[in-house]
Amino acid sequence: QVQLVQSGAEMKKPGASVKVSCKASGYISYGYYIHWVRQAPGQGLEWMGWIYPNNGDTGPAQNFQGRITMTRDTSVDTVYVEMSMLTSDDTAIYYCVSEKGGGQWLMWGQGTLVTVSS
Amino acid sequence: QTVVTQEPSLTVSPGGTVTLTCASSTGAVTSGHYPNWFQQKPGQTPRTLIYNTNNKHSWTPARFSGSLLGDKAALTLSGVQPEDEADYYCLLYYAGAQPWVFGGGTKLTVL
Repeated sequence: QVQLVQSGAEMKKPGASVKVSCKASGYISYGYYIHWVRQAPGQGLEWMGWIYPNNGDTGPAQNFQGRITMTRDTSVDTVYVEMSMLTSDDTAIYYCVSEKGGGQWLMWGQGTLVTVSS
Repeated sequence: QTVVTQEPSLTVSPGGTVTLTCASSTGAVTSGHYPNWFQQKPGQTPRTLIYNTNNKHSWTPARFSGSLLGDKAALTLSGVQPEDEADYYCLLYYAGAQPWVFGGGTKLTVL
């Protein structure tokens, strides 16, 4: 199974950008999708988008189009999500999650807390 | 905008059985929505319990089962344990620009 390890907590000011990484212990190039999901304090889960590391294809959620960029570096088995124009509403834990394809969601990263505050 | 609806909260006695449901604003939930279920205990990372309606992962306790119930996806816990107290989220797939949508979650209390 692909295990996912995320980068550490971030604190940003409104208007700034943040980049979160997610390193896979397995072979992310072999047919797995990686999704990004966030959870604001005390709230539910929100799907943000997917990346297919094998070829770099991405599919951001409509709510995040134009504001997030998902990339990958297969040489280090790592995917990234960068979010721009941060506001306090973006304060949340950001998770990466693997999917084997065909709807089989699998492992979750441990989460990265992003705090946006002036 | 597609909305996926779950019961906000449910309470079950230890050893009992409880069914959580997951409804779609677009109509009946089918296997084509690839229903997934996740468990999140307080202060912890979510974990995937069920994928593609009724398939379990190797770490999923046998007392958890997924199904389609009427026009909804369902997660049934049989012989509930105190450690099953958690938030449960369903996730559905929709072909198109917003392919994955989470339900709002069900807070399960074991009392």
